[in-house]
Amino acid sequence: AQSVSQHNHHVILSEAASLELGCNYSYGGTVNLFWYVQYPGQHLQLLLKYFSGDPLVKGIKGFEAEFIKSKFSFNLRKPSVQWSDTAEYFCAVNARDTGRRALTFGSGTRLQVQP
Amino acid sequence: NAGVTQTPKFRVLKTGQSMTLLCAQDMNHEYMYWYRQDPGMGLRLIHYSVGEGTTAKGEVPDGYNVSRLKKQNFLLGLESAAPSQTSVYFCASSAHVPGQRFPNSLHFGNGTRLTVT
Repeated sequence: AQSVSQHNHHVILSEAASLELGCNYSYGGTVNLFWYVQYPGQHLQLLLKYFSGDPLVKGIKGFEAEFIKSKFSFNLRKPSVQWSDTAEYFCAVNARDTGRRALTFGSGTRLQVQP
Repeated sequence: NAGVTQTPKFRVLKTGQSMTLLCAQDMNHEYMYWYRQDPGMGLRLIHYSVGEGTTAKGEVPDGYNVSRLKKQNFLLGLESAAPSQTSVYFCASSAHVPGQRFPNSLHFGNGTRLTVT
């Protein structure tokens, strides 16, 4: 079964700092990859997704992620964070050829941006 | 266009009581999901459905049952609630990617906070 690891559980940054959140998955076949964000008290919202093509994916609010197949990774990046980026971030994977039509989520990374 | 609507928003149960959580979506999505969210554990899949009348087990199905009698509704039942089922429950729905058999991005409801005492 596929699994997702997010090794950074809690990240604290100052405004304007650069962000990189790690995501690794454990499936050797073809995958679809997602990053979701959950602002305090809200539901999860899609930041970006990768299905195929250019491994560098751009999402909303200046976020991007790079799929590196050889490293089974899909790290999330943002060049300059804002206080409003304070939220919890979840990586998710769907293993396309298993027939399991559901997403598996990582445990999440809580990002705190200090003004 | 309401998207995904969950009811109720909050509920407190005593051990052994039963309840049903309702999820409704108005996007004509094929796929629907129930996840639970617990601190430090992310979202874990309870059950899901790939179409009306079909359901499948996720990672943590024990103690829960589901039904998808209508395409737009996905019900999650707890027959005999236990304190370990204290959690925030999220319903989500997804269209399938055209020509493919895997889901597109998920649309989430606002969650149901359940406490079992």
